[in-house]
Amino acid sequence: KNEVEQSPQNLTAQEGEFITINCSYSVGISALHWLQQHPGGGIVSLFMLSSGKKKHGRLIATINIQEKHSSLHITASHPRDSAVYICAVRARTSGSRLTFGEGTQLTVNP
Amino acid sequence: GAVVSQHPSWVICKSGTSVKIECRSLDFQATTMFWYRQFPKQSLMLMATSNEGSKATYEQGVEKDKFLINHASLTLSTLTVTSAHPEDSSFYICSASGGAGYNEQFFGPGTRLTVL
Repeated sequence: KNEVEQSPQNLTAQEGEFITINCSYSVGISALHWLQQHPGGGIVSLFMLSSGKKKHGRLIATINIQEKHSSLHITASHPRDSAVYICAVRARTSGSRLTFGEGTQLTVNP
Repeated sequence: GAVVSQHPSWVICKSGTSVKIECRSLDFQATTMFWYRQFPKQSLMLMATSNEGSKATYEQGVEKDKFLINHASLTLSTLTVTSAHPEDSSFYICSASGGAGYNEQFFGPGTRLTVL
């Protein structure tokens, strides 16, 4: 079992839909990251969370430390949101190292 | 967020040659840099962690003589793939993080290496 598991692996939505991507982890963490990787390969850091909730534009990230679970929400999805979304955790025992989930491929159709 | 650049963005080389990839933090001092490789449809795999001025720490299974990492300054780390072979073809990504208490990693755009 991976330390970080994401669901779903693939997600197809229509433009305008509300999207949720889930991440569960099994270790004690100091932070959780949500990353976005576009087809060209470059990675953008969307959020770094250690508690609660963060919002940036149409993106919202939440984390429940007790349940070891985080969600990434996209409101009013758009085709340009199509990308791979990756959850990564920094375990308390691992210094700065990140452990990555397998990623969720999101496709938003117009 | 902070900006990390990589150069080149893609490179094609012949088998047996060496290739150097640069990773630069443009607007902050990166005390720690990480090198990852990513195969198609797979997640990032950490290759090594480098701290400025000291030797890199390699992950298990990564050959340090093949993947030479130098982190000589607070804004530059280099990865040299020595005697490259087709199986080294991959997407190489670096990330950088700043000083104590500033642990967020900022990722470079990646370098696609193709070895013929």
